[in-house]
Amino acid sequence: DVKVTQSSRYLVKRTGEKVFLECVQDMDHENMFWYRQDPGLGLRLIYFSYDVKMKEKGDIPEGYSVSREKKERFSLILESASTNQTSMYLCASSGQGGDSGGELFFGEGSRLTVL
Amino acid sequence: KQEVTQIPAALSVPEGENLVLNCSFTDSAIYNLQWFRQDPGKGLTSLLLIQSSQREQTSGRLNASLDKSSGRSTLYIAASQPGDSATYLCACDSNDYKLSFGAGTTVTVRA
Repeated sequence: DVKVTQSSRYLVKRTGEKVFLECVQDMDHENMFWYRQDPGLGLRLIYFSYDVKMKEKGDIPEGYSVSREKKERFSLILESASTNQTSMYLCASSGQGGDSGGELFFGEGSRLTVL
Repeated sequence: KQEVTQIPAALSVPEGENLVLNCSFTDSAIYNLQWFRQDPGKGLTSLLLIQSSQREQTSGRLNASLDKSSGRSTLYIAASQPGDSATYLCACDSNDYKLSFGAGTTVTVRA
């Protein structure tokens, strides 16, 4: 089974802190994604990466950065956390080609609260 | 821009009834369409992926159909059980890495 693992299920941080959210996938997928999910706003794409060291902005990249130094790991960084970044963060990965090409697999989510 | 709509937003049925969940999209030029399940406070679990060349996919009690020309997909869940209670989301992939998600249908199956 594909497994996408997010390092922290729950985090509580203070305004201004630097926050790292880590995500690891074990299926050798080329593509990795970071979404946030908020009530009434649905899922919104923050950043994605289609290869090591490559990154592309999604719909709401402001206040976030990402890092992909290894194929299996994609990190989301909040340089200076703010209260409006309190949210559920979801990491996902997908491969390319074949019958399951493009199928998206999600991690369990990281619930971040910024005080 | 692709718009994905799921109606109704919520649905409550008695155990044993068949579930029919609808997903409509505005741009028929999709690469694939995927159905997910989400339990409260959890991530999304992939249920079925339908490639653009396919008309349907089946897995156990689940069957999903795709009609690109009309911009619709339907997820059927046969003989519903209380464990099927969750939010179901559909998402369209237009082959540009940016999936478009519906807001989801929250299903409650009453025992």
